[in-house]
Amino acid sequence: GDSVTQMEGPVTLSEEAFLTINCTYTATGYPSLFWYVQYPGEGLQLLLKATKADDKGSNKGFEATYRKETTSFHLEKGSVQVSDSAVYFCALSDRGSYIPTFGRGTSLIVHP
Amino acid sequence: EAEVAQSPRYKITEKSQAVAFWCDPISGHATLYWYRQILGQGPELLVQFQDESVVDDSQLPKDRFSAERLKGVDSTLKIQPAELGDSAMYLCASSIGTGTESTDTQYFGPGTRLTVL
Repeated sequence: GDSVTQMEGPVTLSEEAFLTINCTYTATGYPSLFWYVQYPGEGLQLLLKATKADDKGSNKGFEATYRKETTSFHLEKGSVQVSDSAVYFCALSDRGSYIPTFGRGTSLIVHP
Repeated sequence: EAEVAQSPRYKITEKSQAVAFWCDPISGHATLYWYRQILGQGPELLVQFQDESVVDDSQLPKDRFSAERLKGVDSTLKIQPAELGDSAMYLCASSIGTGTESTDTQYFGPGTRLTVL
């Protein structure tokens, strides 16, 4: 079945450091890919998405590129802020089964 | 900006009691989802509605869980009786479309944190 694998957390960075959170997926079809962010005590917010190969999703300084050849959708940000501290979830939605599949989440902690 | 509303935000109950959660999706969104998120894990779908009809409830523990969306707008998720293992965050989400498009973006509410003692 479909699955999403994210790097283990927590990821701990200093403010203004470069961020990468790795995400790889397994899907039978040609999925759409998403990154969601969950701030403490809150629900999930859509951060960005990409619907086809080589698409780049971007929002709030975060970006991720849909890489079909490596089945990856890594999240990057050039300069993180303390306010970016949250849990980040990679997810996919397969055209054959539109129910989204989420990864386990990666906690990001940014220190001043 | 329109949001998905959920209540209560927090619920503490004793095992064997009944609990209910409420969700009001974004206006005009035809599809509504209920998820359970265990601490440290990603959300897992419990039930999906398209308007007032259940599309998928294959992961809903039907011996104790029930969900309804009577008028195709707001929805209620009930647990009776609650068990210790039900402690989790219960998330509601909605999307605009038919629920059959993989590009159909889901918008989540703030969730209800359930603690069963």
